Amino acid sequence: GENVEQHPSTLSVQEGDSAVIKCTYSDSASNYFPWYKQELGKGPQLIIDIRSNVGEKKDQRIAVTLNKTAKHFSLHITETQPEDSAVYFCAALNYGQNFVFGPGTRLSVLP
Amino acid sequence: GAVVSQHPSRVICKSGTSVKIECRSLDFQATTMFWYRQFPKQSLMLMATSNEGSKATYEQGVEKDKFLINHASLTLSTLTVTSAHPEDSSFYICSASTPELFFGSGTQLSVL
Repeated sequence: GENVEQHPSTLSVQEGDSAVIKCTYSDSASNYFPWYKQELGKGPQLIIDIRSNVGEKKDQRIAVTLNKTAKHFSLHITETQPEDSAVYFCAALNYGQNFVFGPGTRLSVLP
Repeated sequence: GAVVSQHPSRVICKSGTSVKIECRSLDFQATTMFWYRQFPKQSLMLMATSNEGSKATYEQGVEKDKFLINHASLTLSTLTVTSAHPEDSSFYICSASTPELFFGSGTQLSVL
């Protein structure tokens, strides 16, 4: 079955700097890769996603890149703000199967 | 994105009682909903897949008699934790697929 690894587990950046979180997956049939932001005591919120026929997607300060050959995808947050502090989860999906989540990255943006 | 509503957000109960958690899809019909459990500082653990009009599919190691799931309509799934014990204390989250996956706000269960 699918296995998703995520690095780093914790990340601290200064406000205004960029943050990058990387995930790798094992199942080459996976074709949908969402990223979720979870604040303390709340459910995960979908912030951006990418499908396997696209290499990069951007939404304001957030971007995701996908390398199908290497089976890894990354979340890029530019101009970080304190409100970006949260736990971020990546996931992989092969349609017809269940979503598989990474272990999460705790991002702290220091003012 | 799609809205998934989950209630209650927090519940405290005595050991031995049962607790029901509701999950509603507000602006779409969800033939399939998912229930997750999350321990502090850990990732999401899939407990079961809830299918409208049929029995839920439980993941290995999840007690189906302890965690009762009912998906009676296309917009509502419920999770009932029966005879709750302190070890059942956790954060429970429901989600629905459109096929993008959207989550409810979660329920913090504390069993005394």
